[in-house]
Amino acid sequence: QKEVEQDPGPLSVPEGAIVSLNCTYSNSAFQYFMWYRQYSRKGPELLMYTYSSGNKEDGRFTAQVDKSSKYISLFIRDSQPSDSATYLCAMSFSFGNEKLTFGTGTRLTIIP
Amino acid sequence: GAVVSQHPSWVICKSGTSVKIECRSLDFQATTMFWYRQFPKQSLMLMATSNEGSKATYEQGVEKDKFLINHASLTLSTLTVTSAHPEDSSFYICSATEAGYTFGSGTRLTVV
Repeated sequence: QKEVEQDPGPLSVPEGAIVSLNCTYSNSAFQYFMWYRQYSRKGPELLMYTYSSGNKEDGRFTAQVDKSSKYISLFIRDSQPSDSATYLCAMSFSFGNEKLTFGTGTRLTIIP
Repeated sequence: GAVVSQHPSWVICKSGTSVKIECRSLDFQATTMFWYRQFPKQSLMLMATSNEGSKATYEQGVEKDKFLINHASLTLSTLTVTSAHPEDSSFYICSATEAGYTFGSGTRLTVV
């Protein structure tokens, strides 16, 4: 079993739809949870990070963490074609000089 | 925000030659940098953790004599792929930490 599981997709939705991306994990010691967006042939770009359980909102993006279920989500509201990318969840035991454990990434396409 | 510069962005080399990839933190000092490898449509796999002034820590299965990492200053880490072979062709990405994880734009290596 992988430490972090993420549906690879691909996922295609029409413009304006709400997108839900999810990851599950097995190690309850993870404390910091991140979502990255990666465009083709580019490095990942940090979208959001959260600590422990709870919700965090930033514009059209909302990150949720449910540590009791070992489940994290990223919601994208009013999706735009520019949101088309691969979305990677990542997590770590502490924040800073420690390696990240990534999910496999979900390829998302927003159809105009 | 924090910026990590990675060069070159794209390189082709002949089998048996060596290739050096540079990763620089432009506006912050990074005591720790991470090197990842990413195959097409797959997630990032951590290769090694680079610590300024000390030896890198390699992940299991990564050949340290083949992937030489040098972190000589707080703003520069290099990855040298020695005696490259076609199976080393991949997308290599570095990451540096300050108040979070910032990734470089990646280097696409093609060995012919």
